[in-house]
Amino acid sequence: EAQVTQNPRYLITVTGKKLTVTCSQNMNHEYMSWYRQDPGLGLRQIYYSMNVEVTDKGDVPEGYKVSRKEKRNFPLILESPSPNQTSLYFCASSFKLQGRDNYGYTFGSGTRLTVV
Amino acid sequence: DQQVKQNSPSLSVQEGRISILNCDYTNSMFDYFLWYKKYPAEGPTFLISISSIKDKNEDGRFTVFLNKSAKHLSLHIVPSQPGDSAVYFCAAEGFFTSGTYKYIFGTGTRLKVLA
Repeated sequence: EAQVTQNPRYLITVTGKKLTVTCSQNMNHEYMSWYRQDPGLGLRQIYYSMNVEVTDKGDVPEGYKVSRKEKRNFPLILESPSPNQTSLYFCASSFKLQGRDNYGYTFGSGTRLTVV
Repeated sequence: DQQVKQNSPSLSVQEGRISILNCDYTNSMFDYFLWYKKYPAEGPTFLISISSIKDKNEDGRFTVFLNKSAKHLSLHIVPSQPGDSAVYFCAAEGFFTSGTYKYIFGTGTRLKVLA
């Protein structure tokens, strides 16, 4: 089954303790991205990757790191989490979208992170 | 600065009637627009999209209209069904002259279809 898999689904952690949220897709998509969803703010892009070893900042990259060493995986790293990073996180992937009708992201099921 | 706006946080519609969800964007560099649907405890799922060279795209009960001069798009659902009750996000995508790539979502509209 074609899917984007995020782990863990739920995580409670303490301020300053490094954590990684994994994301893997099995569709051979070039493009991957991380979003966070907060009430009243919609989905905001954290980082994206156009292909292996190519990553760039989205709108809210502060406090996050990513890597894209292989096509299928795009982990999100919080080196020193803080309470303002408490949020619902989504990983998404796609073939390159430009000019491609009726094709959007495939999203993972989300990771609800609480930093205390 | 919200570049993609959905000004109606919620909408209620009777089953069988038309649902119209609206979205406005501010930057003419966006050239591809999409709608996603999200149920609780799930990731968003892609519904329908439209490129800036078109003004309408239809897929079954879902039609997206684009008015480039007004920087406005809308999603029409006809007829609305109770299973359509969800949060709907619009999104805009494009490469900007600065070389940056943006894919920005609106804040969402919660649609409730009443049986």
